[in-house]
Amino acid sequence: NAGVTQTPKFRILKIGQSMTLQCTQDMNHNYMYWYRQDPGMGLKLIYYSVGAGITDKGEVPNGYNVSRSTTEDFPLRLELAAPSQTSVYFCASGQTAYGYTFGSGTRLTVV
Amino acid sequence: RKEVEQDPGPFNVPEGATVAFNCTYSNSASQSFFWYRQDCRKEPKLLMSVYSSGNEDGRFTAQLNRASQYISLLIRDSKLSDSATYLCVVNREVAGKSTFGDGTTLTVKP
Repeated sequence: NAGVTQTPKFRILKIGQSMTLQCTQDMNHNYMYWYRQDPGMGLKLIYYSVGAGITDKGEVPNGYNVSRSTTEDFPLRLELAAPSQTSVYFCASGQTAYGYTFGSGTRLTVV
Repeated sequence: RKEVEQDPGPFNVPEGATVAFNCTYSNSASQSFFWYRQDCRKEPKLLMSVYSSGNEDGRFTAQLNRASQYISLLIRDSKLSDSATYLCVVNREVAGKSTFGDGTTLTVKP
């Protein structure tokens, strides 16, 4: 069972560069989420989607964009990377009432 | 005040000990509650849901106290493999966004 797959696992970006973090789930979940986790901290919601074509901001959306063209895919786009975006990024899918399945994360360093 | 607060620990306990974590939440309209486990440099994994009546899964017991607005996790007969960070999660909506606590770190020592 693949579950939630994230790529890449690691990435180093230079300030001002852009990249897309990929997330794919094979559980046919309508709800998908992007979180970031800074060292020693909890997860903060960046964006979420309740279905294909529908996305909404979480608590820390600045500097990021998302799209949801299919049920399976929910990519996160970083434009003009900044050192403050150095973090671990987790994609998740599932329903709030039943708990989430997380991907294994992308460790991003912006230098 | 944070919406969800946890004692960060660390909790250092010997094998076989019983340990309990609490998590307080500020919104009385919160509807569902969970505990997740996160190993070092890994993704969070769902440990168990928390119900008003309390629920048990082997050595783990979760409780919800709506009047005092906290949830708890009790681990009995701790194992070395229980060493991890435990995240509590509180949801205000049936569908939508979850709020994660910052986690409580547990280290079980031989």
